[in-house]
Amino acid sequence: RKEVEQDPGPFNVPEGATVAFNCTYSNSASQSFFWYRQDCRKEPKLLMSVYSSGNEDGRFTAQLNRASQYISLLIRDSKLSDSATYLCVVNLGGNKLVFGAGTILRVKS
Amino acid sequence: GAGVSQTPSNKVTEKGKYVELRCDPISGHTALYWYRQSLGQGPEFLIYFQGTGAADDSGLPNDRFFAVRPEGSVSTLKIQRTERGDSAVYLCASSLGGGLTTQYFGPGTRLTVL
Repeated sequence: RKEVEQDPGPFNVPEGATVAFNCTYSNSASQSFFWYRQDCRKEPKLLMSVYSSGNEDGRFTAQLNRASQYISLLIRDSKLSDSATYLCVVNLGGNKLVFGAGTILRVKS
Repeated sequence: GAGVSQTPSNKVTEKGKYVELRCDPISGHTALYWYRQSLGQGPEFLIYFQGTGAADDSGLPNDRFFAVRPEGSVSTLKIQRTERGDSAVYLCASSLGGGLTTQYFGPGTRLTVL
């Protein structure tokens, strides 16, 4: 079993739609959680950290359920510019990030 | 300010050759990481430096891979006797400290082994 699992998609949605991505992780000792965004042939960039209380940044909302070892990302009012691969990432408390394979989002007009 | 830079951006080599990939971290960042990303996958951890020393090299796939950071700033990832399976994007990241501090990634070096 992979340490971090994501639905690879692609998710094809119209502009203005709400879309949700889920991710599960296998190591209960994981200490911090993130969503990174990666555009085609570019480096990953931090989108947001994920906290147990849930957190929101504009149109983006992230949730963490430690009991179920599950992380989610909700994007409201999708824009064309949101098209990218979204990487679910955990840190086990050491110094290495463990990435999922990514979920592809395509927002179409 | 300047982000993480990596050179070359692309490297094509032949099987069996030696390659060096360079990473220049954000100024003042003491922690430096190397990751490898294959097509359709997320980045995979290779090695982590805190200052000049390799604090965690558990992700290096075998002894053909080696990395150095002699002055605690620029790092070089060295791959000996390259194999076709080494073809990937090699990403470098840096952070202010180790642990849970945010990692900022460079644009990567796309290595192709023919």
